[in-house]
Amino acid sequence: DVKVTQSSRYLVKRTGEKVFLECVQDMDHENMFWYRQDPGLGLRLIYFSYDVKMKEKGDIPEGYSVSREKKERFSLILESASTNQTSMYLCASSLVERESTDTQYFGPGTRLTVL
Amino acid sequence: GEDVEQSPFLSVREGDSSVINCTYTDSSSTYLYWYKQEPGAGLQLLTYIFSNMDMKQDQRLTVLLNKKDKHLSLRIADTQTGDSAIYFCAESRGAGANNLFFGTGTRLTVIP
Repeated sequence: DVKVTQSSRYLVKRTGEKVFLECVQDMDHENMFWYRQDPGLGLRLIYFSYDVKMKEKGDIPEGYSVSREKKERFSLILESASTNQTSMYLCASSLVERESTDTQYFGPGTRLTVL
Repeated sequence: GEDVEQSPFLSVREGDSSVINCTYTDSSSTYLYWYKQEPGAGLQLLTYIFSNMDMKQDQRLTVLLNKKDKHLSLRIADTQTGDSAIYFCAESRGAGANNLFFGTGTRLTVIP
């Protein structure tokens, strides 16, 4: 069974703080993703990574950065948290495609509140 | 998610059929997916359909694809209270799972 874990289920931070969200997968997946989920907007891709030390911007990268130093771990960093970054953050991983039906496996999410 | 649209809410009675609809925009999408998100959990893949198919059935789930209208639907037969969740459609605009665009989600509530 694929397991994607996220370091916190709930997090409360203050405006201006630096925030780290950690994601770990145990299936040796090459690809990892960070999304945010907001009511009425669905999931929006922030960043993704195809390999260690590689990253690509998604649809809404502004205000975020990422780090992938090890294959199993993908970190999302909010350099200076703002209230509009209050959201549910979802991490996912997938294999490099051998089949077009290879899917993304999701973690349980981190609900971040920025005060 | 802005280009993949879903109605936000759906309520059905236990035992009835549920139909969740999705409108997507990219006619070149190769695969379309349905994901389920239970309370407090991440998304899990329910089913998918290849773009050259019209219909796919998997136990209680039936996926219908109208490629001309770019309309996708998920029918759940004999809906149970355990089906209460948020359902997301997603389209692949590249190859497979690495370029997914998600819909806005439909919250299904099953009334006992």
